[in-house]
Amino acid sequence: TQLLEQSPQFLSIQEGENLTVYCNSSSVFSSLQWYRQEPGEGPVLLVTVVTGGEVKKLKRLTFQFGDARKDSSLHITAAQPGDTGLYLCAGFPYNQGGKLIFGQGTELSVKP
Amino acid sequence: ETGVTQTPRHLVMGMTNKKSLKCEQHLGHNAMYWYKQSAKKPLELMFVYSLEERVENNSVPSRFSPECPNSSHLFLHLHTLQPEDSALYLCASSQDNILGGPYEQYFGPGTRLTVT
Repeated sequence: TQLLEQSPQFLSIQEGENLTVYCNSSSVFSSLQWYRQEPGEGPVLLVTVVTGGEVKKLKRLTFQFGDARKDSSLHITAAQPGDTGLYLCAGFPYNQGGKLIFGQGTELSVKP
Repeated sequence: ETGVTQTPRHLVMGMTNKKSLKCEQHLGHNAMYWYKQSAKKPLELMFVYSLEERVENNSVPSRFSPECPNSSHLFLHLHTLQPEDSALYLCASSQDNILGGPYEQYFGPGTRLTVT
């Protein structure tokens, strides 16, 4: 069974601080995705990383795919209250077709 | 309406009731999904429909019964549920990609279900 472990599960920080969320597995993934879910809404895709070692930036968010394609990280610079939400990593296990599995999520709260 | 819509948004039902959750997608996708989201647990994939055919059923109890009458609509029929079935039920759609990822899933806002 492929599992995606996210850490930390909860994070409460002040506006302006930096943070990193990790997504780890012992399995190889052909690609990984990060979704963000706000209260009362469904998850929304932020980014897909495909190549080992790949780094993608989305404004103040930086996503990295591990060289071995078993892990990923999300770094937020100068967090703002609007970044508050549940961040989910999700991956397509290698050689498993289109199956997508999710981590348990990281609940982020950014206080003004 | 755009995107993926779900009704009702909130549902409280007794253990002996029968109810249905509805999902509609306006994106022209040909695959639809039901997920269960419980606190502190990963999203659990329940059912996958591709081109209106059920292609995955992840050992879901028979008290949950999906129906996909066409590529735009998906239902989840509920009967004799248990309190532990209380959760957020999310519907999603995507372009079918049986050959492999990546693809983007578009989620609805979910139905918050409480079983009393």
